[in-house]
Amino acid sequence: GENVEQHPSTLSVQEGDSAVIKCTYSDSASNYFPWYKQELGKRPQLIIDIRSNVGEKKDQRIAVTLNKTAKHFSLHITETQPEDSAVYFCAASMSRDDKIIFGKGTRLHILP
Amino acid sequence: EPEVTQTPSHQVTQMGQEVILRCVPISNHLYFYWYRQILGQKVEFLVSFYNNEISEKSEIFDDQFSVERPDGSNFTLKIRSTKLEDSAMYFCASNEQGRETQYFGPGTRLLVL
Repeated sequence: GENVEQHPSTLSVQEGDSAVIKCTYSDSASNYFPWYKQELGKRPQLIIDIRSNVGEKKDQRIAVTLNKTAKHFSLHITETQPEDSAVYFCAASMSRDDKIIFGKGTRLHILP
Repeated sequence: EPEVTQTPSHQVTQMGQEVILRCVPISNHLYFYWYRQILGQKVEFLVSFYNNEISEKSEIFDDQFSVERPDGSNFTLKIRSTKLEDSAMYFCASNEQGRETQYFGPGTRLLVL
């Protein structure tokens, strides 16, 4: 089955700097890649997603890139702010009605 | 904006007891899921449900687990005889037909003593 690897497990960046989180997936049939942000004790919240027919997507300070050939996808957060501190999960799914397979998460700390 | 809701928010139970976790998916959604997250770990898929039957289940979802949609709004997860290792946060999720985005509920934190 699908396996999603995520790096790094912890990331500390100075406020205002950029943060990059990288993921790989194993099954070339995966075609939907959501990113979730989870604050302590809260539900995972979708922050951005990308489909396999698109190489890049941007929403304000957040962007995601996808390299289908290499089976890599990445999350980029620019101009980081204290409220960006959370755990971020990448994930992969094969179809509209399919389960989501999550990576292990990246704990992002924004340093003042 | 409509949200997935779950009850209870916390449940403490003794090992061997049965628990039922409840979810109310978003009203026009047709696909329902249960996931669990052991403290500090990733979110893991348990089961998906569509048209009143299980679509897929993971190896975690053994004979001790069952799901049901008892009426038009609720979706439940039952654990028949809880084990210590069932302690986790359980999330319900749902999505519309034809859409990939799954919306997660706030979770039920289950503690088995």
